[in-house]
Amino acid sequence: DADVTQTPRNRITKTGKRIMLECSQTKGHDRMYWYRQDPGLGLRLIYYSFDVKDINKGEISDGYSVSRQAQAKFSLSLESAIPNQTALYFCATRGPTGTGSTDTQYFGPGTRLTVL
Amino acid sequence: GQQLNQSPQSMFIQEGEDVSMNCTSSSIFNTWLWYKQDPGEGPVLLIALYKAGELTSNGRLTAQFGITRKDSFLNISASIPSDVGIYFCAGQLGGGTSYGKLTFGQGTILTVHP
Repeated sequence: DADVTQTPRNRITKTGKRIMLECSQTKGHDRMYWYRQDPGLGLRLIYYSFDVKDINKGEISDGYSVSRQAQAKFSLSLESAIPNQTALYFCATRGPTGTGSTDTQYFGPGTRLTVL
Repeated sequence: GQQLNQSPQSMFIQEGEDVSMNCTSSSIFNTWLWYKQDPGEGPVLLIALYKAGELTSNGRLTAQFGITRKDSFLNISASIPSDVGIYFCAGQLGGGTSYGKLTFGQGTILTVHP
Protein backbone atom coordinates (compact mmCIF):
# COMPACT_ATOMS: atom_id res chain seq x y z
CA ASP A 1 0.00 0.00 0.00
CA ALA A 2 1.12 3.54 -0.74
CA ASP A 3 2.51 5.51 2.19
CA VAL A 4 0.89 8.79 1.06
CA THR A 5 -2.51 8.69 -0.61
CA GLN A 6 -4.56 11.45 -2.14
CA THR A 7 -8.22 11.59 -3.09
CA PRO A 8 -9.62 12.24 -5.56
CA ARG A 9 -6.97 11.61 -8.23
CA ASN A 10 -8.88 13.69 -10.76
CA ARG A 11 -11.56 16.32 -10.34
CA ILE A 12 -13.35 18.64 -12.72
CA THR A 13 -15.39 21.42 -11.19
CA LYS A 14 -16.94 24.76 -12.02
CA THR A 15 -15.93 28.27 -11.06
CA GLY A 16 -17.26 29.24 -7.65
CA LYS A 17 -17.62 25.71 -6.29
CA ARG A 18 -16.04 24.63 -3.01
CA ILE A 19 -13.59 21.74 -3.40
CA MET A 20 -11.76 19.61 -0.85
CA LEU A 21 -8.70 17.53 -1.62
CA GLU A 22 -7.69 14.94 0.93
CA CYS A 23 -4.36 13.45 1.94
CA SER A 24 -3.61 10.54 4.24
CA GLN A 25 -0.28 9.06 5.25
CA THR A 26 0.85 5.91 7.02
CA LYS A 27 4.48 6.97 7.43
CA GLY A 28 3.91 8.29 10.95
CA HIS A 29 5.40 11.64 9.96
CA ASP A 30 4.43 14.75 11.86
CA ARG A 31 4.96 17.26 9.06
CA MET A 32 2.67 17.53 6.08
CA TYR A 33 2.64 19.87 3.08
CA TRP A 34 0.44 20.87 0.16
CA TYR A 35 2.00 21.92 -3.17
CA ARG A 36 0.67 22.85 -6.56
CA GLN A 37 2.49 22.10 -9.80
CA ASP A 38 2.15 24.17 -12.94
CA PRO A 39 4.07 23.53 -16.16
CA GLY A 40 7.50 25.19 -16.16
CA LEU A 41 7.17 26.36 -12.55
CA GLY A 42 8.13 23.30 -10.56
CA LEU A 43 6.22 22.84 -7.31
CA ARG A 44 5.12 25.71 -5.09
CA LEU A 45 4.18 25.44 -1.44
CA ILE A 46 0.60 26.31 -0.48
CA TYR A 47 0.38 25.34 3.22
CA TYR A 48 2.33 23.25 5.68
CA SER A 49 1.69 21.77 9.11
CA PHE A 50 4.05 20.60 11.84
CA ASP A 51 1.32 18.87 13.82
CA VAL A 52 -2.41 18.96 14.39
CA LYS A 53 -2.28 22.31 16.15
CA ASP A 54 0.22 23.97 13.84
CA ILE A 55 -0.83 25.31 10.42
CA ASN A 56 1.25 27.74 8.36
CA LYS A 57 0.90 29.55 5.05
CA GLY A 58 3.31 28.83 2.25
CA GLU A 59 4.21 30.93 -0.80
CA ILE A 60 0.82 30.87 -2.50
CA SER A 61 -1.89 30.39 0.15
CA ASP A 62 -4.41 32.93 -1.17
CA GLY A 63 -7.64 31.23 -2.21
CA TYR A 64 -6.84 28.06 -0.23
CA SER A 65 -7.42 26.77 3.29
CA VAL A 66 -6.35 23.61 5.08
CA SER A 67 -7.40 21.38 7.93
CA ARG A 68 -5.22 18.93 9.87
CA GLN A 69 -7.82 16.55 11.22
CA ALA A 70 -5.30 14.13 12.68
CA GLN A 71 -1.59 13.49 12.44
CA ALA A 72 -2.21 11.29 9.42
CA LYS A 73 -4.70 13.52 7.58
CA PHE A 74 -4.27 16.92 5.94
CA SER A 75 -6.98 18.38 3.69
CA LEU A 76 -6.77 21.27 1.24
CA SER A 77 -9.87 23.31 0.39
CA LEU A 78 -10.58 25.75 -2.37
CA GLU A 79 -13.36 27.90 -0.95
CA SER A 80 -14.48 29.27 -4.31
CA ALA A 81 -12.59 27.67 -7.15
CA ILE A 82 -11.37 29.78 -10.07
CA PRO A 83 -9.88 28.67 -13.41
CA ASN A 84 -6.30 29.68 -12.55
CA GLN A 85 -6.40 27.12 -9.75
CA THR A 86 -6.36 24.45 -12.41
CA ALA A 87 -3.20 22.50 -11.60
CA LEU A 88 -1.73 19.33 -10.19
CA TYR A 89 -1.85 19.27 -6.39
CA PHE A 90 0.54 17.22 -4.31
CA CYS A 91 0.58 16.34 -0.65
CA ALA A 92 3.91 15.52 1.00
CA THR A 93 5.09 14.32 4.40
CA ARG A 94 8.35 14.66 6.26
CA GLY A 95 9.87 13.15 9.37
CA PRO A 96 11.42 15.11 12.24
CA THR A 97 14.41 17.34 11.52
CA GLY A 98 17.81 15.78 11.93
CA THR A 99 16.77 12.21 11.49
CA GLY A 100 18.81 11.59 8.36
CA SER A 101 16.91 9.74 5.68
CA THR A 102 13.57 10.82 7.11
CA ASP A 103 14.62 14.44 6.89
CA THR A 104 13.22 14.64 3.36
CA GLN A 105 9.78 14.95 1.86
CA TYR A 106 7.78 12.11 0.37
CA PHE A 107 5.03 12.89 -2.10
CA GLY A 108 1.61 11.47 -2.79
CA PRO A 109 0.48 10.59 -6.34
CA GLY A 110 -1.25 13.92 -6.92
CA THR A 111 -4.72 15.26 -7.72
CA ARG A 112 -5.37 16.75 -11.12
CA LEU A 113 -7.87 19.56 -10.64
CA THR A 114 -9.59 21.34 -13.52
CA VAL A 115 -11.71 24.40 -12.84
CA LEU A 116 -13.98 25.34 -15.73
CA GLY B 1 8.89 33.11 -4.61
CA GLN B 2 12.47 32.05 -5.03
CA GLN B 3 13.24 29.32 -7.52
CA LEU B 4 16.29 27.37 -8.39
CA ASN B 5 17.72 27.62 -11.88
CA GLN B 6 17.68 24.12 -13.29
CA SER B 7 19.18 23.27 -16.65
CA PRO B 8 18.69 22.08 -19.21
CA GLN B 9 14.92 22.43 -19.45
CA SER B 10 14.71 19.38 -21.69
CA MET B 11 16.95 16.71 -23.15
CA PHE B 12 16.51 14.29 -26.02
CA ILE B 13 19.09 11.51 -25.95
CA GLN B 14 19.75 8.06 -27.34
CA GLU B 15 19.59 5.02 -25.14
CA GLY B 16 23.00 4.31 -23.68
CA GLU B 17 24.11 7.92 -23.49
CA ASP B 18 25.05 9.65 -20.28
CA VAL B 19 22.99 12.57 -18.97
CA SER B 20 23.95 15.52 -16.84
CA MET B 21 21.75 18.21 -15.33
CA ASN B 22 22.35 20.84 -12.69
CA CYS B 23 20.80 23.38 -10.39
CA THR B 24 22.14 26.68 -9.16
CA SER B 25 20.85 29.06 -6.55
CA SER B 26 21.68 32.47 -5.16
CA SER B 27 20.99 31.11 -1.68
CA ILE B 28 22.71 28.49 0.41
CA PHE B 29 20.91 25.26 1.19
CA ASN B 30 21.63 22.67 3.86
CA THR B 31 20.19 19.80 1.84
CA TRP B 32 19.91 19.12 -1.86
CA LEU B 33 17.41 16.62 -3.17
CA TRP B 34 16.81 15.11 -6.58
CA TYR B 35 13.37 13.81 -7.51
CA LYS B 36 11.98 12.04 -10.56
CA GLN B 37 8.37 12.40 -11.64
CA ASP B 38 6.72 9.90 -13.96
CA PRO B 39 3.59 10.93 -15.88
CA GLY B 40 0.55 10.97 -13.62
CA GLU B 41 2.57 10.39 -10.48
CA GLY B 42 4.10 12.39 -7.68
CA PRO B 43 7.82 13.11 -7.44
CA VAL B 44 9.86 10.23 -6.08
CA LEU B 45 13.05 10.88 -4.18
CA LEU B 46 16.16 9.65 -6.01
CA ILE B 47 19.06 11.02 -4.01
CA ALA B 48 19.41 13.20 -0.91
CA LEU B 49 22.61 15.14 -0.18
CA TYR B 50 23.25 16.49 3.29
CA LYS B 51 26.80 17.79 3.25
CA ALA B 52 28.73 20.24 1.06
CA GLY B 53 31.01 18.33 -1.29
CA GLU B 54 29.11 15.08 -0.79
CA LEU B 55 29.01 12.76 -3.80
CA THR B 56 26.33 10.07 -3.63
CA SER B 57 25.36 7.30 -6.00
CA ASN B 58 22.15 5.34 -6.42
CA GLY B 59 22.66 2.72 -9.13
CA ARG B 60 23.35 4.55 -12.38
CA LEU B 61 22.62 7.91 -10.75
CA THR B 62 25.27 10.10 -9.16
CA ALA B 63 24.66 13.46 -7.53
CA GLN B 64 26.90 15.98 -5.86
CA PHE B 65 26.31 18.74 -3.32
CA GLY B 66 28.37 21.74 -4.43
CA ILE B 67 31.11 23.05 -2.18
CA THR B 68 29.54 26.50 -2.11
CA ARG B 69 26.20 24.90 -1.07
CA LYS B 70 24.57 26.85 -3.89
CA ASP B 71 24.54 24.17 -6.55
CA SER B 72 24.12 20.51 -7.26
CA PHE B 73 24.32 18.22 -10.25
CA LEU B 74 22.81 14.88 -11.21
CA ASN B 75 24.37 12.45 -13.66
CA ILE B 76 22.68 9.42 -15.17
CA SER B 77 24.97 6.93 -16.83
CA ALA B 78 24.04 4.57 -19.66
CA SER B 79 20.47 5.83 -19.97
CA ILE B 80 17.60 3.42 -20.61
CA PRO B 81 14.03 4.07 -21.82
CA SER B 82 12.57 3.93 -18.30
CA ASP B 83 14.69 6.94 -17.33
CA VAL B 84 12.13 9.06 -19.19
CA GLY B 85 10.42 11.58 -16.94
CA ILE B 86 10.82 14.96 -15.32
CA TYR B 87 13.73 15.42 -12.94
CA PHE B 88 13.53 18.08 -10.24
CA CYS B 89 16.17 19.43 -7.97
CA ALA B 90 15.13 20.87 -4.64
CA GLY B 91 17.00 22.80 -2.00
CA GLN B 92 16.00 22.51 1.62
CA LEU B 93 16.83 24.64 4.63
CA GLY B 94 16.89 22.05 7.36
CA GLY B 95 17.79 21.85 10.99
CA GLY B 96 16.64 23.60 14.11
CA THR B 97 13.15 25.04 13.91
CA SER B 98 13.14 25.11 10.11
CA TYR B 99 9.97 23.76 8.63
CA GLY B 100 11.97 22.13 5.89
CA LYS B 101 10.72 24.33 3.09
CA LEU B 102 11.66 22.92 -0.28
CA THR B 103 12.52 25.25 -3.14
CA PHE B 104 12.15 23.45 -6.46
CA GLY B 105 13.84 23.87 -9.77
CA GLN B 106 11.68 24.13 -12.89
CA GLY B 107 12.43 20.56 -13.88
CA THR B 108 14.34 18.83 -16.69
CA ILE B 109 12.23 16.80 -19.11
CA LEU B 110 14.21 13.77 -20.22
CA THR B 111 13.33 11.82 -23.35
CA VAL B 112 15.28 8.68 -24.21
CA HIS B 113 15.08 7.29 -27.72
CA PRO B 114 15.58 3.52 -28.00
